Amino acid sequence: NAGVTQTPKFRILKIGQSMTLQCTQDMNHNYMYWYRQDPGMGLKLIYYSVGAGITDKGEVPNGYNVSRSTTEDFPLRLELAAPSQTSVYFCASSWTRDTQYFGPGTRLTVL
Amino acid sequence: GENVEQHPSTLSVQEGDSAVIKCTYSDSASNYFPWYKQELGKGPQLIIDIRSNVGEKKDQRIAVTLNKTAKHFSLHITETQPEDSAVYFCAASRRGGGADGLTFGKGTHLIIQP
Repeated sequence: NAGVTQTPKFRILKIGQSMTLQCTQDMNHNYMYWYRQDPGMGLKLIYYSVGAGITDKGEVPNGYNVSRSTTEDFPLRLELAAPSQTSVYFCASSWTRDTQYFGPGTRLTVL
Repeated sequence: GENVEQHPSTLSVQEGDSAVIKCTYSDSASNYFPWYKQELGKGPQLIIDIRSNVGEKKDQRIAVTLNKTAKHFSLHITETQPEDSAVYFCAASRRGGGADGLTFGKGTHLIIQP
């Protein structure tokens, strides 16, 4: 049981490039979340999903898109990378709406 | 929306002493309050949580207290050990309705001095 896995671990993008951050969980959780963590700050919710085919915006969704075609996967897409998107991105999943289990994170730098 | 304030931002204690981290929240509808520990380069890990129908919860050296009237909750770590050094986050959420996801405090860097 690997829990929540994220790829890649690190990535450097140039301004205007696009990329997809991958997130997979093997716990059959319905709920999945994407957060970003900026230095010295708590995590902020970008998008979340309550099940396959259902997604909704969190606190800071601008510049991002998500999809949820399966229970296991919840990729996060950056279309036109900007320096303000330099951050550490965490994916999480939960069985109910409370206890969340986090992945190891993706550290993204946009130059 | 919910706003969570966390204090202090840094806390240094001697090994064996107790550490207390405090959080306040703004949304009276919040009813779930987890605490996460984050070690360098890793994702947050849940260490303890409390729901609004409970005033206190303990798990070995860790305890959490909740005061719903004052809208604050605290993490207590007793007999601190070097492996307790990490960043601790409190969070709040409202189960069963409204926007999902946790609202986090800004974190407390706990340093255990040998």
